[in-house]
Amino acid sequence: ETGVTQSPTHLIKTRGQQVTLRCSSQSGHNTVSWYQQALGQGPQFIFQYYREEENGRGNFPPRFSGLQFPNYSSELNVNALELDDSALYLCASSSTGGAYEKLFFGSGTQLSVL
Amino acid sequence: AQSVTQLGSHVSVSEGALVLLRCNYSSSVPPYLFWYVQYPNQGLQLLLKYTTGATLVKGINGFEAEFKKSETSFHLTKPSAHMSDAAEYFCAVSDLAGGGNKLTFGTGTQLKVEL
Repeated sequence: ETGVTQSPTHLIKTRGQQVTLRCSSQSGHNTVSWYQQALGQGPQFIFQYYREEENGRGNFPPRFSGLQFPNYSSELNVNALELDDSALYLCASSSTGGAYEKLFFGSGTQLSVL
Repeated sequence: AQSVTQLGSHVSVSEGALVLLRCNYSSSVPPYLFWYVQYPNQGLQLLLKYTTGATLVKGINGFEAEFKKSETSFHLTKPSAHMSDAAEYFCAVSDLAGGGNKLTFGTGTQLKVEL
């Protein structure tokens, strides 16, 4: 059974650019969530996808968008990058998206915006 | 809205000593509560969770936590710290009203274990 994998592991962009981060969920999981973890902070919920539909969104602007594919892998897209977008972006999967469920996290993508 | 407060951003203990990491929550409905651990350059890993039933929850690596509704607390303990416990620990509450399994995390406690 493969775990959650994210790519790339590190990324450097300049302000105003666009970025796409990718996540492969754990085998058998149909729910993917994305979190942003700024330095010294806890992860903050961006949004969740369940069977290719957005199923909840946190307090992030529309320039943060996502997709989930039929194989349940997912992308996080961020447009018009700002310096404050520099953070570790974590993807997590779960089997059905229930509130009681364990989340399986990837190791994250470290995004630096210069 | 739900929230989590972790008292103490840094905790230092001696190897073999008791570990106590504090977490208080705010929730308008009975909460689901979680503790996750993050080792350097890794994602988060679930230590334990409370959903319903027994208020003392046992997790992996010898950790346990007790849900105290009257104190709105869910403190994490381990009787004897090991060097391998050095990591960052996050308490989280599940947003039941929002559906799905959106978690609200605290700001984390960095645990240092000294010889």
